[in-house]
Amino acid sequence: GDSVTQMEGPVTLSEEAFLTINCTYTATGYPSLFWYVQYPGEGLQLLLKATKADDKGSNKGFEATYRKETTSFHLEKGSVQVSDSAVYFCALSPDSGGGADGLTFGKGTHLIIQP
Amino acid sequence: KAGVTQTPRYLIKTRGQQVTLSCSPISGHRSVSWYQQTPGQGLQFLFEYFSETQRNKGNFPGRFSGRQFSNSRSEMNVSTLELGDSALYLCASSAWAGANPDEQYFGPGTRLTVT
Repeated sequence: GDSVTQMEGPVTLSEEAFLTINCTYTATGYPSLFWYVQYPGEGLQLLLKATKADDKGSNKGFEATYRKETTSFHLEKGSVQVSDSAVYFCALSPDSGGGADGLTFGKGTHLIIQP
Repeated sequence: KAGVTQTPRYLIKTRGQQVTLSCSPISGHRSVSWYQQTPGQGLQFLFEYFSETQRNKGNFPGRFSGRQFSNSRSEMNVSTLELGDSALYLCASSAWAGANPDEQYFGPGTRLTVT
């Protein structure tokens, strides 16, 4: 079945550091890929998405590129802030369309940004 | 427009008991999906309801069940609770079944602790 693997952390960085959170996936066909963010005490929020190979999703200074050749969707940000501290989830949706079978999530990466 | 509401937010139960969690979707949304979030397994899809019918179900035992009412509110029930059922239970609503994730909105979750 489909699966998503991401570094679990915690990842601790200083403010203004460069961030990379690795995500690789296993899926048949052509899935859509997503990054979600979960702030303490809150539900999931969709951060960005990419629906086909070489697409780049971006939002709030974060970006990720859908790399089919390496089955990866790594999350990057050039300069992190304390407010970026949260848990980040990589996820995929199968090519059968939308959320028909539910999203498959990675286990989440806890990011801690120190001032 | 009010967001997705989940009640209760926190719950403590004893092994062997049963529990019912509630999710009220965004007004006008007719699809509700449920997810279980644990530190060990991450986020896993439980089931999706649309127009009072279960459309999809994840790989969970029969102790996990759900239903949806005519006003689109959904409940999930877990019978004969086990320690491993301790988790954050998230629901997500969307206007249509199988909606794309960027059309799906998550609630804050219900934190269930089984002792």
